[in-house]
Amino acid sequence: RKEVEQDPGPFNVPEGATVAFNCTYSNSASQSFFWYRQDCRKEPKLLMSVYSSGNEDGRFTAQLNRASQYISLLIRDSKLSDSATYLCVVNRQTGANNLFFGTGTRLTVIP
Amino acid sequence: DAGITQSPRYKITETGRQVTLMCHQTWSHSYMFWYRQDLGHGLRLIYYSAAADITDKGEVPDGYVVSRSKTENFPLTLESATRSQTSVYFCASRAGPNTGELFFGEGSRLTVL
Repeated sequence: RKEVEQDPGPFNVPEGATVAFNCTYSNSASQSFFWYRQDCRKEPKLLMSVYSSGNEDGRFTAQLNRASQYISLLIRDSKLSDSATYLCVVNRQTGANNLFFGTGTRLTVIP
Repeated sequence: DAGITQSPRYKITETGRQVTLMCHQTWSHSYMFWYRQDLGHGLRLIYYSAAADITDKGEVPDGYVVSRSKTENFPLTLESATRSQTSVYFCASRAGPNTGELFFGEGSRLTVL
């Protein structure tokens, strides 16, 4: 079983829509969680960290459910500029090689 | 500008040739990583390094060699390139083992004919 699993999509949504992505992780020892964004033909960049209590950054809300071992990303009022691939990343607190990436969920926002 | 830079950005080579992809970071981050990204596989770790002169294998190390004689540089060498090594290669760095943010270079797009 993969360490981190995501629905690859693609998600095609109209401008202004709300869209949610989920990600599951297999190792209960995972300690911290992140969403990265990757634009087409560009490098991944940190979008936001995911805290236990849930956190919001403008139109983006991230949530963590430790009991079910999943994290989510909600995007409200989608913009064309939100079109990208969103990578779920899980960090275990042991070892130098402790970051695990999902394969990404592709989002296209349609005018 | 400070940051992490990769070179070359684009490279076409032939099967059997040796290729070296360079990675340089200006933050003095201890940890550096090489990933390859292919459709359907996402990012896969090739090699990583916790400090100068300390390197270790990741998920897909076969056919690759790394070195880290200086903290700021982490070159990746394909000793005898194969078509299956056609990919986009990303170098990345982070300050410590438990700092969440990984900083990526812009990527090196390699085609092996």
